[in-house]
Amino acid sequence: GQQLNQSPQSMFIQEGEDVSMNCTSSSIFNTWLWYKQDPGEGPVLLIALYKAGELTSNGRLTAQFGITRKDSFLNISASIPSDVGIYFCAGRIAIGSSNTGKLIFGQGTTLQVKP
Amino acid sequence: EAGVTQSPTHLIKTRGQQATLRCSPISGHTSVYWYQQALGLGLQFLLWYDEGEERNRGNFPPRFSGRQFPNYSSELNVNALELEDSALYLCASSLVRDSVSNQPQHFGDGTRLSIL
Repeated sequence: GQQLNQSPQSMFIQEGEDVSMNCTSSSIFNTWLWYKQDPGEGPVLLIALYKAGELTSNGRLTAQFGITRKDSFLNISASIPSDVGIYFCAGRIAIGSSNTGKLIFGQGTTLQVKP
Repeated sequence: EAGVTQSPTHLIKTRGQQATLRCSPISGHTSVYWYQQALGLGLQFLLWYDEGEERNRGNFPPRFSGRQFPNYSSELNVNALELEDSALYLCASSLVRDSVSNQPQHFGDGTRLSIL
């Protein structure tokens, strides 16, 4: 089936450190999205990427759409305690010019930050 | 601007019963998506509705169904509930201007469905 491999599965870091996580797939994607989910809440969109090679920032967050269109990474610089949560990558597989509406999600990266 | 709202927050049912979950999209969004987030399985795509029509469905049995109303709100119905249906059900909405639109999906906080 269609899968996104997200790594690492979890991270425990010191406040102020930089964080990097990534997602890879065997399929070509035309959209990559990064979400953060806090306990008891739904995923919140952090960054959306639409073109191969695109590099986009949102404050301390930076994400890139891989050149091969099969991968994406998210970096968080100078982490703070409120960065704690589960980060998900999600993507839309390219199927011609059609929109299937379906997002495929990675399994998530659980981030813990030690003050 | 109000985000995606879902109700109820929690729902407790027993095996064999039927559950109805509701979702109101962000104002101006015409597409509604449903996902299941079961423990350890990540988010799995269930259904996509746009302009009142079902546009796509994921790999779930027919007892998972839904509909979209003229005001773009949506219901997810799950019949003959099974224990493994226990999960967080998330609704998302987006703009869809054309068949190739890649507008991002914005999520609500979900309905926690527990089957006893």
